[in-house]
Amino acid sequence: EDQVTQSPEALRLQEGESSSLNCSYTVSGLRGLFWYRQDPGKGPEFLFTLYSAGEEKEKERLKATLTKKESFLHITAPKPEDSATYLCAVQSADSGGGADGLTFGKGTHLIIQP
Amino acid sequence: DTGVSQDPRHKITKRGQNVTFRCDPISEHNRLYWYRQTLGQGPEFLTYFQNEAQLEKSRLLSDRFSAERPKGSFSTLEIQRTEQGDSAMYLCASSFSGIVREKLFFGSGTQLSVL
Repeated sequence: EDQVTQSPEALRLQEGESSSLNCSYTVSGLRGLFWYRQDPGKGPEFLFTLYSAGEEKEKERLKATLTKKESFLHITAPKPEDSATYLCAVQSADSGGGADGLTFGKGTHLIIQP
Repeated sequence: DTGVSQDPRHKITKRGQNVTFRCDPISEHNRLYWYRQTLGQGPEFLTYFQNEAQLEKSRLLSDRFSAERPKGSFSTLEIQRTEQGDSAMYLCASSFSGIVREKLFFGSGTQLSVL
């Protein structure tokens, strides 16, 4: 059974203070690792997909990296509008959630203070 | 890009009542998913359709839950005899099957409160 663990559960940063969010996973045959952003009362919004160890992707102040056991979401010089819950999810040969189904972690609740 | 639409956004009901939610996926997407999310948790898979066929159900989907996707377009999720434990955000997502692995696009969800 796929497992995804995210840490920390919550993180409070000052505006401009860079940090990283962690996603550790256990899967049988990783097909893809996904990062989503979720604002209160809304559905998850797609950020990145990573497919193989060593891969990196960037979007504005966010950079996602992947190893064989974990992924990091690095946030550089964050702004208050980056405040949200960041969800990590894996897609595997045994996702148990349909052909493209995802197994999610509980998320990291990020607060950026001005 | 109209995105995935869900209706209603919020539903308050009394225990024992039946409720039905609707999801309209992105038009060219042939796969449709239902997830449930409770406070402080990530979304959990409920069921999945490819076109009109319901191909997989989670053990979380009790007999009180039923989902349909007539003609492979919109989908409905019905909960019969609601219980307080059914209170959650119900999320719909869609994707397009192809050679490459596809990401899921989520709707804004239906927040269900069972009193």
